[in-house]
Amino acid sequence: NAGVMQNPRHLVRRRGQEARLRCSPMKGHSHVYWYRQLPEEGLKFMVYLQKENIIDESGMPKERFSAEFPKEGPSILRIQQVVRGDSAAYFCASSPDYWETQYFGPGTRLLVL
Amino acid sequence: AQRVTQPEKLLSVFKGAPVELKCNYSYSGSPELFWYVQYSRQRLQLLLRHISRESIKGFTADLNKGETSFHLKKPFAQEEDSAMYYCALSGQAVDSGGSNYKLTFGKGTLLTVNP
Repeated sequence: NAGVMQNPRHLVRRRGQEARLRCSPMKGHSHVYWYRQLPEEGLKFMVYLQKENIIDESGMPKERFSAEFPKEGPSILRIQQVVRGDSAAYFCASSPDYWETQYFGPGTRLLVL
Repeated sequence: AQRVTQPEKLLSVFKGAPVELKCNYSYSGSPELFWYVQYSRQRLQLLLRHISRESIKGFTADLNKGETSFHLKKPFAQEEDSAMYYCALSGQAVDSGGSNYKLTFGKGTLLTVNP
């Protein structure tokens, strides 16, 4: 089992562009979580998804951010019209069910110029 | 509101010395506590969770509800223990309406074990 995969590992965008972050959960895991880590901070919960459903997006900024987990393919975290404050490490985790241990991916480091 | 505090940003010890990484939490119900570790150039991984009461790589952590603490301890540190350590909390399902998947992390402590 390759573990949770995230790509790209590093992403550079200019202000106003779109960023798309991908997450492939571990085999057999249908629950995906996204966390954001700002510099010098701990990881903060953003959104929890199951296949084709957003279960809890209480940690997502109200504008410009969206997430999906389609029936086929990876989960996508999309940030439209990026601003410098979006620069952070974005981590994805997956689990077999919501009460089980979350396994983390290596993260995507987004830098907005 | 859930909050996790790791008061030490950096901790440096010598090999063979005892190590304690502090973690305090704020939560109104019955929390579930975790320690995650991130070695250099590796992904975040679970070190231990309080409900399993395991000892992993010689590390232990006891949940002290009176002091709202979950300090991580190891009697004899090794150089390979050098890493970033994060304490995390989730609510139990009965307290959080089933949202115990939501982990709240501290800011982390960077442990360096010197030879």
